Amino acid sequence: GENVEQHPSTLSVQEGDSAVIKCTYSDSASNYFPWYKQELGKRPQLIIDIRSNVGEKKDQRIAVTLNKTAKHFSLHITETQPEDSAVYFCAAQQLGYSTLTFGKGTMLLVSP
Amino acid sequence: TAGITQAPTSQILAAGRSMTLRCTQDMRHNAMYWYRQDLGLGLRLIHYSNTAGTTGKGEVPDGYSVSRANTDDFPLTLASAVPSQTSVYFCASSQLPGQGDNEQFFGPGTRLTVL
Repeated sequence: GENVEQHPSTLSVQEGDSAVIKCTYSDSASNYFPWYKQELGKRPQLIIDIRSNVGEKKDQRIAVTLNKTAKHFSLHITETQPEDSAVYFCAAQQLGYSTLTFGKGTMLLVSP
Repeated sequence: TAGITQAPTSQILAAGRSMTLRCTQDMRHNAMYWYRQDLGLGLRLIHYSNTAGTTGKGEVPDGYSVSRANTDDFPLTLASAVPSQTSVYFCASSQLPGQGDNEQFFGPGTRLTVL
């Protein structure tokens, strides 16, 4: 099956700085890579996703990059704000499967 | 539109007792999932269902069972609860790959404590 590794487990930045979270996956056939944000006590919610036929995708202050050769993908948050503080999860979906394999999560803390 | 709901919100359960966590979605999604979330371990898939009448095992299925009698409901049953099943349980649903958006929508979660 698929295996997803996520780093770092915790990340502290100052407001206005950039934050980068990295994930690697094991199955080269995986073709869909979503990122979820989970605020304290809330449910995970999709913030951005990328498919294997695209190398980069942006949505305002967040972007995701995918390197299929190296089997890794990253979440980039620019101009961080305190409301970006949350746990972020990456995930991978194997071709032909509905299920997702999640990384263990990154707790991002943005200090004012 | 309610989206996806779970019940109960929280529960304290004596070890050895049985319990069913309920999950209902009104988005007509074919696929539904149950995850457990434990600190430092992320979201781990327990069971899933790609369509009514079918179910599959995830990463951590032992001690849990599911059924999918119709499109909307996907209950999770603990037949004889043990303390290691203390966790937050999330239900989710999505379209199947190739049938539309892949996004999984999560319910609000059920916090279960087994004593």
